[in-house]
Amino acid sequence: QVQLQESGPRLVKPSETLSLTCSVSGYFINNDHFWGWIRQPPGKGLEWIGSIYHSGSTHYNPSLKSRVTLSIDTSNNQFSLNLRFVTAADTAVYYCARDGKHDSGALDYWGQGTLVTVSS
Amino acid sequence: EVVMTQSQATLSVSPGDRATLSCRASQSVGRNLAWYQQRPGQAPRLLIYGASTRATGIPARFGGSGSGTEFTLTISSLQFEDFAVYYCQQYNNWPQTFGQGTKVESK
Repeated sequence: QVQLQESGPRLVKPSETLSLTCSVSGYFINNDHFWGWIRQPPGKGLEWIGSIYHSGSTHYNPSLKSRVTLSIDTSNNQFSLNLRFVTAADTAVYYCARDGKHDSGALDYWGQGTLVTVSS
Repeated sequence: EVVMTQSQATLSVSPGDRATLSCRASQSVGRNLAWYQQRPGQAPRLLIYGASTRATGIPARFGGSGSGTEFTLTISSLQFEDFAVYYCQQYNNWPQTFGQGTKVESK
């Protein structure tokens, strides 16, 4: 069974970088799926951040593209999110998920999510 | 970017009744449309992909229809556990985009 787990600091200071890692078990991430990050501010809806393929190919939300970098570590079966220059507006639950096969797709497996708060 | 609109912010339905949720895309997305259910404090769960295909383990009371720009999620007989927020998502184009969500609450 495919399982995903987010990890990383839960509190980040304004202007610093938010860094999260998603560890995947039950499936090799160097198979044919994209892997994505989605966030949800408290009480609000879902926002797709970006997705990465095992080759390193990435797609980003244009509204975040200038601040986001995704990376992938196939040897450890995990992928990561870096979001730079954070503000309070970046406070959210961050989810990782399995994306589509070879291209954009439905997000069929999700991590439980981790709340990251931006505050001094 | 494709804008997804769920016109019903809240839907009040009695247990056992049918719920019909709508989702509109600002341009055609073919059948590349998914529906998710999110219960409080939980991650979203994939219900429907390809506009009408139920994901693994999803009960038959959940049905999806539509293509192009107009889509519908129908819950044929609402159970207690179905009161939740539902999101549509298009994946026809990058960036993927979600609707704002429809909260299904008990009447």
